[in-house]
Amino acid sequence: DTAVSQTPKYLVTQMGNDKSIKCEQNLGHDTMYWYKQDSKKFLKIMFSYNNKELIINETVPNRFSPKSPDKAHLNLHINSLELGDSAVYFCASSPRDSGNTIYFGEGSWLTVV
Amino acid sequence: GENVEQHPSTLSVQEGDSAVIKCTYSDSASNYFPWYKQELGKGPQLIIDIRSNVGEKKDQRIAVTLNKTAKHFSLHITETQPEDSAVYFCAAVYSGGGADGLTFGKGTHLIIQP
Repeated sequence: DTAVSQTPKYLVTQMGNDKSIKCEQNLGHDTMYWYKQDSKKFLKIMFSYNNKELIINETVPNRFSPKSPDKAHLNLHINSLELGDSAVYFCASSPRDSGNTIYFGEGSWLTVV
Repeated sequence: GENVEQHPSTLSVQEGDSAVIKCTYSDSASNYFPWYKQELGKGPQLIIDIRSNVGEKKDQRIAVTLNKTAKHFSLHITETQPEDSAVYFCAAVYSGGGADGLTFGKGTHLIIQP
């Protein structure tokens, strides 16, 4: 009964490849997010979606494209992977807006070689 | 936008002693301040939060204080235990403005020495 689940947990891929990370929440939340954590542990928001609608798109390269087929899912697709994309990507969700508790998934460790 | 500064980046304390982590924020409109704990290989988990209409909140060994005038808030952990070792993040956001997402501090690596 995992609240926010994301797959895969580990992903090693070559530069130039395209990959996707999937995320699902079973909490009935309206808002979902993608955060990136770099090697120095800094957590930075990439995107947020509210009821399938894009709310935030931080200064993230166009190679990153989120897709929300329904409010329980927010997938992250990355084109033409670069070495600098190596990081841990966290999916998260919250009930309404950010003033409510945000629940994070366990993270997806992406390594680009 | 919001900017959150967190200190120290690493904190080592003896088991049983207290630990204090401090954060400052820049946007006076921010009104929700959560603290997250991240254990190795896991996602961040909320441990305590405070809203701007409250100056202090306590939950067993953990407490958070907020000074709106000075725009800083702190996490206090008393009687530290080995399982408290983790990375702690403070965050700030204006609640009610939509799905803006939390702005996090850069984290504090808390090490509990046995």
